Amino acid sequence: AQTVTQSQPEMSVQEAETVTLSCTYDTSESNYYLFWYKQPPSRQMILVIRQEAYKQQNATENRFSVNFQKAAKSFSLKISDSQLGDTAMYFCAFEAGGGKSTFGDGTTLTVKP
Amino acid sequence: SQTIHQWPATLVQPVGSPLSLECTVEGTSNPNLYWYRQAAGRGLQLLFYSVGIGQISSEVPQNLSASRPQDRQFILSSKKLLLSDSGFYLCAWSEGTRTFYEQYFGPGTRLTVT
Repeated sequence: AQTVTQSQPEMSVQEAETVTLSCTYDTSESNYYLFWYKQPPSRQMILVIRQEAYKQQNATENRFSVNFQKAAKSFSLKISDSQLGDTAMYFCAFEAGGGKSTFGDGTTLTVKP
Repeated sequence: SQTIHQWPATLVQPVGSPLSLECTVEGTSNPNLYWYRQAAGRGLQLLFYSVGIGQISSEVPQNLSASRPQDRQFILSSKKLLLSDSGFYLCAWSEGTRTFYEQYFGPGTRLTVT
């Protein structure tokens, strides 16, 4: 069974600064997808970024980028130029095919003005 | 474009009463469907998922059940609610035809059992 660990329950960052959220996972699968989801105070969960395990290049989406270290089973999310709207709970998730994802317990990020 | 609807948005029910939460998806066919529960400030607990009509997999033994009477409709039910059933319930869908799937979530239902 796969497990996903987010070791930082809470983090804060000043507006315009950069923050990195950590995620590690455990699996015996060789091919899989990794995701970061964002849940703002409105509770509407949305996908932030995805990474395919067979791709060595780290995914980027505007201010969001990942540092994917397959050998270390690490998948961190970097948010650059943090904005107040980035305040949310962030979930790391793993999917090895078949449609079921395993989610971490989340990291609550607060962006301070 | 695809949309997912959940209702009701909030619900307050007494212990021992029945429950029915509904989720529908528009703009796609044969989606995978999921029910999650989220305790306050916590992660997601997968309750049920479905890859087709009448096909339901239960992840956690409990007094909840799920049904999928139509391709894009997913219902979460209980005959008798417990206090521990309180939480935030999320429905989600993913593409049924791809190998790997990101999930798209509904707005959620906040259930309080009193």
